[in-house]
Amino acid sequence: DIVMTQSPDSLTVSLGERATINCKSSQSVLDSSSNKNHLAWYQQKKGQPPNLLIYWASTRESGVPDRFSGSGSGTDFTLTISSLQAEDVAVYYCQQYYDTPRTFGQGTKVEIK
Amino acid sequence: QLQLQESGPGLVKPSETLSLTCTVSGGSISSSSHYWAWIRQPPGKGLEWIGSIYYSGRPVYKPSLRSRVTISLEMSEKQFSLKLSSVTAADTAVYYCARDRGSPGPSDIWGQGTLVTVSS
Repeated sequence: DIVMTQSPDSLTVSLGERATINCKSSQSVLDSSSNKNHLAWYQQKKGQPPNLLIYWASTRESGVPDRFSGSGSGTDFTLTISSLQAEDVAVYYCQQYYDTPRTFGQGTKVEIK
Repeated sequence: QLQLQESGPGLVKPSETLSLTCTVSGGSISSSSHYWAWIRQPPGKGLEWIGSIYYSGRPVYKPSLRSRVTISLEMSEKQFSLKLSSVTAADTAVYYCARDRGSPGPSDIWGQGTLVTVSS
């Protein structure tokens, strides 16, 4: 299985400040034939199912605010929230869909300072 | 807009079989562009992919669960189902069904989830 490791486990950021979450995969999730990274980011608010934010490592899902951005390639990826809003309090997960079984990071909890 | 809804018993006894159904509404289950997946989340913990199935009916399972899991598709009913046998307390979780956008692809639509507790 591809192991996904996120850092940090939790993050406390002031309103309007930048939040950065890292995700590392145990092997590359870059498909060389398509030059696409098979990496997604999800946001899960309390009591709700996960919500897709980013796919192909950097493509924002329709309707997702542009303060959310994804970057990285190969084994190292980053989710950035450029200006944290109160509604961004949630747990964020990365997921690889390069291979089965699909695997998720352990999650990063984002809170307001 | 396509929606997913899980249904099934909320309480299952140890050693019995957990059975859940996901009903698809507002769209097609026979699309060649999508897979249909089951994912679970133990209380207070992270997400675990269980398996998925394509419209042609070929399922893929997490290897560590393969001996206990069956995912099937009932296209006429616009449903797909999950069966997990010989359950223990470790199988207590919120179970989500989801649509994968393509294969490979991310899970772009999720059901609300249903809590299944394994207890006598």
